[in-house]
Amino acid sequence: DIQMTQSPSSVSASVGDRVTITCRASQGISSWLAWYQQKPGKAPNLLIYAASSLQSGVPSRFSGSGSGTDFTLTISSLQPEDFATYYCQQANSFPVTFGQGTRLEIK
Amino acid sequence: QVQLQESGPGLVKPSQTLSLTCTVSGGSISSGSYYWSWIRQPAGKGLEWIGRIYTSGSTNYNPSLKSRVTISVDTSKNQFSLKLTSVTAADTAVYYCARARVGANWFDPWGQGTLVTVSS
Repeated sequence: DIQMTQSPSSVSASVGDRVTITCRASQGISSWLAWYQQKPGKAPNLLIYAASSLQSGVPSRFSGSGSGTDFTLTISSLQPEDFATYYCQQANSFPVTFGQGTRLEIK
Repeated sequence: QVQLQESGPGLVKPSQTLSLTCTVSGGSISSGSYYWSWIRQPAGKGLEWIGRIYTSGSTNYNPSLKSRVTISVDTSKNQFSLKLTSVTAADTAVYYCARARVGANWFDPWGQGTLVTVSS
């Protein structure tokens, strides 16, 4: 299985800050990567697919980049509703696997 | 838009079989453009993909669970189902159903999730 490692595991930030979350795959996955946002008690919500494509309806302050083994999710200017847990997921091979999550907290 | 809804018992005894159903509304499960998956999340932990099914009945399972998992589809009811046998406390989790487009293994939308607790 391809292991996905996110860093940091948690981060504290303020409204208006720029935040970057990193995801590393244990082997190359080209651009087969997705990012999800999950709020407490809710299902994950797809933000980014194919490493850098913005899902319809997702605010443009979210962006993704990377290919191969190293990927980033950037939130350009944090809004109060962005405080949540974020997961990356590799979609290159089965079984698909997820990172352990990054918890974004209010400073 | 397409919506998914999980249903099934919230409590299962150890060694028994967990059975859940996902009902798809707002679209046909037989469209041929999508795979239908089950994913689970133990409390406070990450996400684990369990398996998927295509409208034809073709399945793929996570090798870590393959010996205990069966996913089936009922196109007449626009539903697909999960059976997990010989459950233990380690199978306690929120179980989600989700859709992925053929050729793109990312999930959207997801059901709201249903908590299944394994306990005597």
